[in-house]
Amino acid sequence: DTGVSQNPRHKITKRGQNVTFRCDPISEHNRLYWYRQTLGQGPEFLTYFQNEAQLEKSRLLSDRFSAERPKGSFSTLEIQRTEQGDSAMYLCASSISFGEQETQYFGPGTRLLVL
Amino acid sequence: ILNVEQSPQSLHVQEGDSTNFTCSFPSSNFYALHWYRWETAKSPEALFVMTLNGDEKKKGRISATLNTKEGYSYLYIKGSQPEDSATYLCAFLNYGGSQGNLIFGKGTKLSVKP
Repeated sequence: DTGVSQNPRHKITKRGQNVTFRCDPISEHNRLYWYRQTLGQGPEFLTYFQNEAQLEKSRLLSDRFSAERPKGSFSTLEIQRTEQGDSAMYLCASSISFGEQETQYFGPGTRLLVL
Repeated sequence: ILNVEQSPQSLHVQEGDSTNFTCSFPSSNFYALHWYRWETAKSPEALFVMTLNGDEKKKGRISATLNTKEGYSYLYIKGSQPEDSATYLCAFLNYGGSQGNLIFGKGTKLSVKP
């Protein structure tokens, strides 16, 4: 399978715990994005990498959130001291920079439930 | 605040019916409009990227049109099949904004009954 993969697919945690999600993009894609979808909403942008550089972060990304893409390949998203409001689907997407026709390819997401 | 609206929120049709959804977006600083299909427990699947006013794209029984001057796009499904059941998302990219920041609507959930 050469698509975007995400692990784990589901995560249940207690409030206050730290969680880390992983995204493996399509190989040779230089851009990687994280989005979050809460119930009844469309996906909302969190952050974006070009190669290993984190180029933009949304205001949604509080200080408890950190994302890395150490070698310009896979990425991790860590949430520290989770809160019930962090419960959501976390989506990763990757693309290759290609002007206005650029398509973002999504993974299946990690569904987080904070109890 | 840039807002993308999709209607209807949900739709129930019989197999064989044709259907269409609407996506409304800001008409200023338009760069691109994306359509995705998202089936439960799967990855969102890219359907179309549309950039030019008047664009029409087709993929099998699914087609889409784009009007950037008035800020809307239509997605059409001809002869709906149960496997078309999914949430259809549109996403807007504005010129001069973040290169990667797709702004999504809430989606239209389609259910096709056999």
